[in-house]
Amino acid sequence: DVKVTQSSRYLVKRTGEKVFLECVQDMDHENMFWYRQDPGLGLRLIYFSYDVKMKEKGDIPEGYSVSREKKERFSLILESASTNQTSMYLCASSGIQGLAKNIQYFGAGTRLSVL
Amino acid sequence: RKEVEQDPGPFNVPEGATVAFNCTYSNSASQSFFWYRQDCRKEPKLLMSVYSSGNEDGRFTAQLNRASQYISLLIRDSKLSDSATYLCVVAWTYTDKLIFGTGTRLQVFP
Repeated sequence: DVKVTQSSRYLVKRTGEKVFLECVQDMDHENMFWYRQDPGLGLRLIYFSYDVKMKEKGDIPEGYSVSREKKERFSLILESASTNQTSMYLCASSGIQGLAKNIQYFGAGTRLSVL
Repeated sequence: RKEVEQDPGPFNVPEGATVAFNCTYSNSASQSFFWYRQDCRKEPKLLMSVYSSGNEDGRFTAQLNRASQYISLLIRDSKLSDSATYLCVVAWTYTDKLIFGTGTRLQVFP
């Protein structure tokens, strides 16, 4: 079974803090993604990475950065957390070959509250 | 216009009912289609891929109409455990990104 693990289920941070969200996958997938999910807005792509040290902006990258130093790990960084970044953050990974191409597997999510 | 549109529901149906959800997508270059299921406060999980000829998995049937750019999901003999939000998902050609609809909520009652 594919396993995508996010480091925290719940986080509470203060405005202005630097926040790191970590994600690890064990399926040797090339692609990794960070989304946020808000009521009524669905899943919105923040950043994705298709290889080590490679990254591309998604639909809402402002206020976020990412790091992918190893294939299995993809980190989301909030440089200076703001209250409008309170959300559920979901990490996903996918392979690029065969029938499983494009199928994304998600971590359990991190519910971040910024006070 | 949203890239993937779904009726948000909720659809409230009794156990044993048949229920159908539709989804429309705007990009005719879309190449892959999926239905994901998301339980309350949990992550989305793949329910089934959608193939051009239509496909069935137990009580679930998915259909694709490329000409009209819509996808459907039919659930027969609904169970209480089917209560969840169903996300319509589309992948465009030449990209590994997925476009998610905002979901249709289903509530099955006894």
